[in-house]
Amino acid sequence: QKEVEQDPGPLSVPEGAIVSLNCTYSNSAFQYFMWYRQYSRKGPELLMYTYSSGNKEDGRFTAQVDKSSKYISLFIRDSQPSDSATYLCAMRTSGSRLTFGEGTQLTVNP
Amino acid sequence: DTAVSQTPKYLVTQMGNDKSIKCEQNLGHDTMYWYKQDSKKFLKIMFSYNNKELIINETVPNRFSPKSPDKAHLNLHINSLELGDSAVYFCASSPRALDYEQYFGPGTRLTVT
Repeated sequence: QKEVEQDPGPLSVPEGAIVSLNCTYSNSAFQYFMWYRQYSRKGPELLMYTYSSGNKEDGRFTAQVDKSSKYISLFIRDSQPSDSATYLCAMRTSGSRLTFGEGTQLTVNP
Repeated sequence: DTAVSQTPKYLVTQMGNDKSIKCEQNLGHDTMYWYKQDSKKFLKIMFSYNNKELIINETVPNRFSPKSPDKAHLNLHINSLELGDSAVYFCASSPRALDYEQYFGPGTRLTVT
């Protein structure tokens, strides 16, 4: 069983839709949770970072962590065609390497 | 100015050959990484250097050998290339070891025929 599970999609939504991306994990020691965005033929870039449980909002993006369920989410409001990318969740314990999910490919159609 | 650069961007080679990929970062970071991303977009760490010292060495065949001449450069040499080595290899850097925010290069797409 992988430490981090993420549905690879693909996910296709109309412009303006609310998008929900999710990851589950098995290692209860994970404390740091990240979402990276990767455009086609580019390297990943950090989008959101959350420590432990709770919510974090940045513009149209909201990251949620539920440590009791070992479940993290990224919500995108008013999605735009420019949001079309692969979204990778990543997490780590204190002092460990990043463990990435498989990535979810998102397409937002105009 | 490109923060993390890699050369070459594309590499097509035959099985059994030896090849190198170079990476440079101009961010002044202490730590650099090599990741492999397979066709399913799964990103897996291979190596990490902090101030030229190897700190992460995942289960990777001995045919892969990283080298860090200084903290701004991290190269990856691959001997006796195999078909299964075909992937995109990303270099990344971070200010300190194992930082959550890592800055990735554009990737090197390696195809072994």
